[in-house]
Amino acid sequence: DAEITQSPRHKITETGRQVTLACHQTWNHNNMFWYRQDLGHGLRLIHYSYGVQDTNKGEVSDGYSVSRSNTEDLPLTLESAASSQTSVYFCASSESPFQPQHFGDGTRLSIL
Amino acid sequence: GESVGLHLPTLSVQEGDNSIINCAYSNSASDYFIWYKQESGKGPQFIIDIRSNMDKRQGQRVTVLLNKTVKHLSLQIAATQPGDSAVYFCAERWDTGRRALTFGSGTRLQVQP
Repeated sequence: DAEITQSPRHKITETGRQVTLACHQTWNHNNMFWYRQDLGHGLRLIHYSYGVQDTNKGEVSDGYSVSRSNTEDLPLTLESAASSQTSVYFCASSESPFQPQHFGDGTRLSIL
Repeated sequence: GESVGLHLPTLSVQEGDNSIINCAYSNSASDYFIWYKQESGKGPQFIIDIRSNMDKRQGQRVTVLLNKTVKHLSLQIAATQPGDSAVYFCAERWDTGRRALTFGSGTRLQVQP
């Protein structure tokens, strides 16, 4: 079965470090998304991509970057981790604008 | 598992009753809406969706109603089961120039056996 996987599931790091979260989907979807989820908030969009070599900023993109070198992967990089970036991160993909997004099970990131 | 919010509105129902979860969306130009279910430690799971040219859509034990006049979306779950206990999010696609979703803050459903 097609799926979307995130790794690692849990990570602890220090402020100032560079961190990369992996997202891999086997749906062959062109559209991929990164969200963060914090207590008291729904999911907020960080970055998204419509296809290879395409990336776009979401509503909370400061301090994050993504790259899309193939269809299957959209890694999320925190250039210099800050404590405010402690959160649960979800990756998602969709086939088209009117198809639901499929989510991974998230990465819990703690920045000390 | 991950906690999605300690202060979410909570709906508590008895097993076997019907549940109605409500959502007010923000943009009258939104054209696509989705309900997701999220269990502890898991990612959001698709339940049902509806386009803005429809008022109602039914799935297995679930119905979504869309009232565009008052910008209101509801999810009805028939014969609620303990396995339905989770946090439920509505999401809207409000910027037709992009394919991303905007999520509500969620409602926790607790099913009492």
